[in-house]
Amino acid sequence: QQQVKQSPQSLIVQKGGISIINCAYENTAFDYFPWYQQFPGKGPALLIAIRPDVSEKKEGRFTISFNKSAKQFSLHIMDSQPGDSATYFCAATLISSGSARQLTFGSGTQLTVLP
Amino acid sequence: EPEVTQTPSHQVTQMGQEVILRCVPISNHLYFYWYRQILGQKVEFLVSFYNNEISEKSEIFDDQFSVERPDGSNFTLKIRSTKLEDSAMYFCASSTQGRATDTQYFGPGTRLTVL
Repeated sequence: QQQVKQSPQSLIVQKGGISIINCAYENTAFDYFPWYQQFPGKGPALLIAIRPDVSEKKEGRFTISFNKSAKQFSLHIMDSQPGDSATYFCAATLISSGSARQLTFGSGTQLTVLP
Repeated sequence: EPEVTQTPSHQVTQMGQEVILRCVPISNHLYFYWYRQILGQKVEFLVSFYNNEISEKSEIFDDQFSVERPDGSNFTLKIRSTKLEDSAMYFCASSTQGRATDTQYFGPGTRLTVL
Protein backbone atom coordinates (compact mmCIF):
# COMPACT_ATOMS: atom_id res chain seq x y z
CA GLN A 1 0.00 0.00 0.00
CA GLN A 2 3.00 2.25 0.28
CA GLN A 3 3.92 1.98 -3.39
CA VAL A 4 4.04 4.73 -5.94
CA LYS A 5 3.97 3.43 -9.50
CA GLN A 6 5.60 5.51 -12.22
CA SER A 7 5.51 5.30 -16.00
CA PRO A 8 7.02 5.30 -18.51
CA GLN A 9 10.43 3.98 -17.57
CA SER A 10 12.02 5.99 -20.35
CA LEU A 11 10.82 8.76 -22.62
CA ILE A 12 12.30 10.35 -25.71
CA VAL A 13 10.90 13.69 -26.83
CA GLN A 14 11.87 16.14 -29.54
CA LYS A 15 12.95 19.62 -28.52
CA GLY A 16 9.90 21.79 -28.11
CA GLY A 17 7.61 18.87 -27.44
CA ILE A 18 5.61 18.00 -24.32
CA SER A 19 6.94 15.40 -21.91
CA ILE A 20 4.38 13.63 -19.76
CA ILE A 21 5.24 11.35 -16.85
CA ASN A 22 2.55 9.58 -14.87
CA CYS A 23 2.36 8.30 -11.32
CA ALA A 24 -0.25 6.42 -9.32
CA TYR A 25 -0.37 5.82 -5.61
CA GLU A 26 -2.21 3.36 -3.42
CA ASN A 27 -2.09 4.85 0.04
CA THR A 28 -4.93 7.38 0.31
CA ALA A 29 -3.24 8.86 3.37
CA PHE A 30 -0.52 10.39 1.20
CA ASP A 31 -1.08 14.13 1.10
CA TYR A 32 1.99 15.70 -0.42
CA PHE A 33 3.43 14.85 -3.80
CA PRO A 34 6.83 16.23 -4.85
CA TRP A 35 8.67 15.61 -8.08
CA TYR A 36 12.43 15.29 -8.09
CA GLN A 37 14.86 15.76 -10.96
CA GLN A 38 18.19 13.95 -11.03
CA PHE A 39 21.08 14.63 -13.37
CA PRO A 40 23.86 12.06 -13.80
CA GLY A 41 26.30 12.15 -10.90
CA LYS A 42 24.01 14.28 -8.78
CA GLY A 43 21.45 13.59 -6.09
CA PRO A 44 17.74 14.14 -6.68
CA ALA A 45 16.64 17.77 -6.44
CA LEU A 46 13.13 19.02 -5.76
CA LEU A 47 11.47 20.30 -8.92
CA ILE A 48 7.86 21.00 -8.01
CA ALA A 49 5.32 19.70 -5.51
CA ILE A 50 1.55 19.64 -5.03
CA ARG A 51 -0.99 19.03 -2.30
CA PRO A 52 -4.17 17.11 -3.15
CA ASP A 53 -6.45 20.06 -2.44
CA VAL A 54 -5.55 21.51 -5.85
CA SER A 55 -5.86 19.85 -9.23
CA GLU A 56 -2.98 21.61 -10.91
CA LYS A 57 0.20 23.49 -10.08
CA LYS A 58 2.35 25.27 -12.59
CA GLU A 59 5.87 26.59 -12.27
CA GLY A 60 7.32 27.87 -15.50
CA ARG A 61 7.33 25.04 -18.04
CA PHE A 62 6.57 22.42 -15.40
CA THR A 63 3.01 21.51 -14.43
CA ILE A 64 1.67 18.89 -12.04
CA SER A 65 -1.84 17.62 -12.70
CA PHE A 66 -3.51 15.83 -9.81
CA ASN A 67 -6.54 13.54 -9.88
CA LYS A 68 -7.45 12.65 -6.31
CA SER A 69 -10.31 10.31 -7.16
CA ALA A 70 -8.12 8.29 -9.49
CA LYS A 71 -5.13 8.51 -7.13
CA GLN A 72 -2.98 9.67 -10.02
CA PHE A 73 -0.75 12.61 -10.70
CA SER A 74 1.42 13.57 -13.61
CA LEU A 75 4.25 15.90 -14.57
CA HIS A 76 4.01 17.83 -17.81
CA ILE A 77 7.09 19.54 -19.21
CA MET A 78 6.10 22.03 -21.88
CA ASP A 79 8.51 23.13 -24.60
CA SER A 80 10.95 20.42 -23.54
CA GLN A 81 14.63 21.34 -23.91
CA PRO A 82 17.77 19.20 -24.16
CA GLY A 83 18.75 20.58 -20.73
CA ASP A 84 15.67 18.86 -19.29
CA SER A 85 17.23 15.48 -20.07
CA ALA A 86 17.41 13.81 -16.66
CA THR A 87 15.74 11.18 -14.53
CA TYR A 88 12.48 12.27 -12.95
CA PHE A 89 11.06 10.73 -9.80
CA CYS A 90 7.62 11.24 -8.43
CA ALA A 91 7.25 10.84 -4.69
CA ALA A 92 4.63 10.89 -1.97
CA THR A 93 4.62 11.52 1.72
CA LEU A 94 2.39 12.32 4.66
CA ILE A 95 2.04 15.87 5.93
CA SER A 96 0.19 14.88 9.03
CA SER A 97 1.67 13.27 12.12
CA GLY A 98 5.24 12.82 13.15
CA SER A 99 8.36 14.52 11.96
CA ALA A 100 11.19 13.79 9.56
CA ARG A 101 8.77 12.53 6.96
CA GLN A 102 10.10 9.87 4.66
CA LEU A 103 9.59 10.14 0.93
CA THR A 104 8.20 7.18 -1.00
CA PHE A 105 9.60 7.36 -4.50
CA GLY A 106 8.39 6.06 -7.84
CA SER A 107 10.75 4.01 -9.97
CA GLY A 108 11.94 6.95 -12.08
CA THR A 109 11.64 8.03 -15.71
CA GLN A 110 14.69 8.69 -17.82
CA LEU A 111 13.82 11.59 -20.10
CA THR A 112 15.87 12.32 -23.20
CA VAL A 113 15.10 15.47 -25.16
CA LEU A 114 16.56 15.38 -28.65
CA PRO A 115 17.92 18.61 -30.12
CA GLU B 1 24.40 27.82 -2.57
CA PRO B 2 24.83 25.43 0.37
CA GLU B 3 24.79 21.77 -0.53
CA VAL B 4 24.94 18.35 1.05
CA THR B 5 28.29 16.64 0.54
CA GLN B 6 29.08 12.94 0.78
CA THR B 7 32.32 10.98 0.99
CA PRO B 8 33.61 8.85 -0.51
CA SER B 9 32.00 9.05 -3.93
CA HIS B 10 32.72 5.35 -4.47
CA GLN B 11 33.49 2.68 -1.89
CA VAL B 12 34.49 -0.86 -2.75
CA THR B 13 34.49 -3.42 0.05
CA GLN B 14 34.58 -7.14 0.62
CA MET B 15 31.50 -8.95 1.84
CA GLY B 16 31.43 -9.07 5.63
CA GLN B 17 33.45 -5.90 6.07
CA GLU B 18 32.22 -2.80 7.88
CA VAL B 19 31.78 0.42 5.96
CA ILE B 20 31.05 3.95 7.09
CA LEU B 21 29.50 6.38 4.68
CA ARG B 22 29.89 10.05 5.56
CA CYS B 23 27.69 13.03 4.92
CA VAL B 24 27.92 16.70 5.75
CA PRO B 25 24.39 18.12 5.78
CA ILE B 26 23.61 21.76 5.11
CA SER B 27 24.73 23.64 8.19
CA ASN B 28 21.44 25.02 9.56
CA HIS B 29 19.44 21.86 8.85
CA LEU B 30 18.13 19.82 11.74
CA TYR B 31 16.72 16.70 10.06
CA PHE B 32 18.81 14.12 8.30
CA TYR B 33 17.99 11.16 6.10
CA TRP B 34 19.59 8.22 4.35
CA TYR B 35 18.13 6.71 1.21
CA ARG B 36 19.52 4.08 -1.12
CA GLN B 37 19.07 3.25 -4.78
CA ILE B 38 19.95 -0.17 -6.06
CA LEU B 39 21.05 0.06 -9.68
CA GLY B 40 18.04 0.35 -11.94
CA GLN B 41 15.59 0.50 -9.07
CA LYS B 42 13.81 3.26 -7.21
CA VAL B 43 15.15 5.38 -4.40
CA GLU B 44 14.23 3.80 -1.05
CA PHE B 45 14.04 5.40 2.37
CA LEU B 46 16.30 3.94 5.04
CA VAL B 47 16.20 6.19 8.09
CA SER B 48 15.54 9.69 9.36
CA PHE B 49 17.33 11.32 12.28
CA TYR B 50 16.62 14.31 14.50
CA ASN B 51 18.03 15.52 17.79
CA ASN B 52 20.46 12.60 17.97
CA GLU B 53 17.72 10.04 17.66
CA ILE B 54 16.25 7.94 14.90
CA SER B 55 12.89 9.40 13.96
CA GLU B 56 11.73 6.78 11.48
CA LYS B 57 13.29 3.74 9.87
CA SER B 58 12.25 1.36 7.14
CA GLU B 59 12.26 -2.42 7.08
CA ILE B 60 15.56 -2.26 5.21
CA PHE B 61 17.25 -0.57 8.17
CA ASP B 62 17.94 -3.65 10.26
CA ASP B 63 20.48 -4.29 12.99
CA GLN B 64 23.31 -4.23 10.47
CA PHE B 65 22.77 -0.52 9.96
CA SER B 66 23.37 2.34 12.34
CA VAL B 67 23.51 6.10 12.08
CA GLU B 68 25.38 8.65 14.09
CA ARG B 69 26.01 12.37 14.31
CA PRO B 70 29.50 12.18 15.80
CA ASP B 71 30.07 15.92 15.80
CA GLY B 72 28.32 19.11 14.78
CA SER B 73 28.78 18.62 11.08
CA ASN B 74 28.96 14.97 10.07
CA PHE B 75 26.19 12.41 9.74
CA THR B 76 27.27 8.82 9.16
CA LEU B 77 25.74 5.55 8.05
CA LYS B 78 27.49 2.40 9.20
CA ILE B 79 26.93 -1.03 7.76
CA ARG B 80 28.46 -3.54 10.15
CA SER B 81 28.83 -6.61 7.95
CA THR B 82 28.19 -5.83 4.33
CA LYS B 83 26.30 -8.21 2.04
CA LEU B 84 26.30 -8.41 -1.73
CA GLU B 85 22.78 -6.99 -1.75
CA ASP B 86 23.97 -3.84 0.03
CA SER B 87 25.57 -2.73 -3.23
CA ALA B 88 23.75 0.46 -4.12
CA MET B 89 24.00 4.22 -4.33
CA TYR B 90 23.46 5.71 -0.89
CA PHE B 91 22.07 9.24 -0.69
CA CYS B 92 22.16 11.47 2.34
CA ALA B 93 19.60 14.27 2.60
CA SER B 94 18.83 17.04 5.03
CA SER B 95 16.01 19.50 5.69
CA THR B 96 15.49 22.51 7.93
CA GLN B 97 12.47 20.97 9.61
CA GLY B 98 10.98 17.51 9.37
CA ARG B 99 7.68 18.54 7.86
CA ALA B 100 6.67 16.83 4.65
CA THR B 101 6.53 20.18 2.87
CA ASP B 102 10.13 21.02 3.77
CA THR B 103 12.47 20.35 0.91
CA GLN B 104 14.87 17.52 1.40
CA TYR B 105 18.22 18.40 -0.13
CA PHE B 106 20.11 15.39 -1.42
CA GLY B 107 23.83 14.87 -1.67
CA PRO B 108 25.47 13.40 -4.79
CA GLY B 109 25.58 9.93 -3.28
CA THR B 110 28.13 7.27 -2.42
CA ARG B 111 28.26 4.27 -4.68
CA LEU B 112 28.90 1.20 -2.53
CA THR B 113 30.13 -1.92 -4.26
CA VAL B 114 30.30 -5.10 -2.19
CA LEU B 115 32.41 -7.87 -3.69
